[in-house]
Amino acid sequence: ILNVEQSPQSLHVQEGDSTNFTCSFPSSNFYALHWYRWETAKSPEALFVMTLNGDEKKKGRISATLNTKEGYSYLYIKGSQPEDSATYLCAFMGGGNTDKLIFGTGTRLQVFP
Amino acid sequence: ETGVTQSPTHLIKTRGQQVTLRCSSQSGHNTVSWYQQALGQGPQFIFQYYREEENGRGNFPPRFSGLQFPNYSSELNVNALELDDSALYLCASSPVVGSRYEQYFGPGTRLTVT
Repeated sequence: ILNVEQSPQSLHVQEGDSTNFTCSFPSSNFYALHWYRWETAKSPEALFVMTLNGDEKKKGRISATLNTKEGYSYLYIKGSQPEDSATYLCAFMGGGNTDKLIFGTGTRLQVFP
Repeated sequence: ETGVTQSPTHLIKTRGQQVTLRCSSQSGHNTVSWYQQALGQGPQFIFQYYREEENGRGNFPPRFSGLQFPNYSSELNVNALELDDSALYLCASSPVVGSRYEQYFGPGTRLTVT
């Protein structure tokens, strides 16, 4: 059974704080690692699709790193803002001809003004 | 470019009934996947459809079935509903099957089984 773990489960930070989350996934049969941002009552929105060991991707104040050999990815948010409040999901995609994503349970971030 | 839409938004059904959920994929996407998110869990893969054929299935019983139409809209059907089927059902489309593209999710249908 393939398992994707995320930590912490939830996080409360003050506006302006920087924060990071962890996603651990199987290190075998790796194809891609997805990060999604999911605001309440909206659709999950893709942040990054990471494929190569050592990948680093950045979108504004959000960045992510990938280590496929040890099976983990970090998501960083620099200078958190209240609009960053959301659940952040990571999802592992193994090799094969389907787009099956195996999701973690997410990290729920709340940023207080 | 239109986004992924799902209908209905909410649904209440009784145990033993059947339900059909609908999804309209992002324009130009020929692949759709369905996920179930139960309370406190991450989304779980139900199945994927590519060019109107099932192309991979998760650990869900046969009473979960699907259809994909030539216009790439799709349906998820669940027969003989059980209380544990209460969940948020998400569909997601992608432009190329078996690729590393991001998936585009709809907002989900919240199903409650009483």
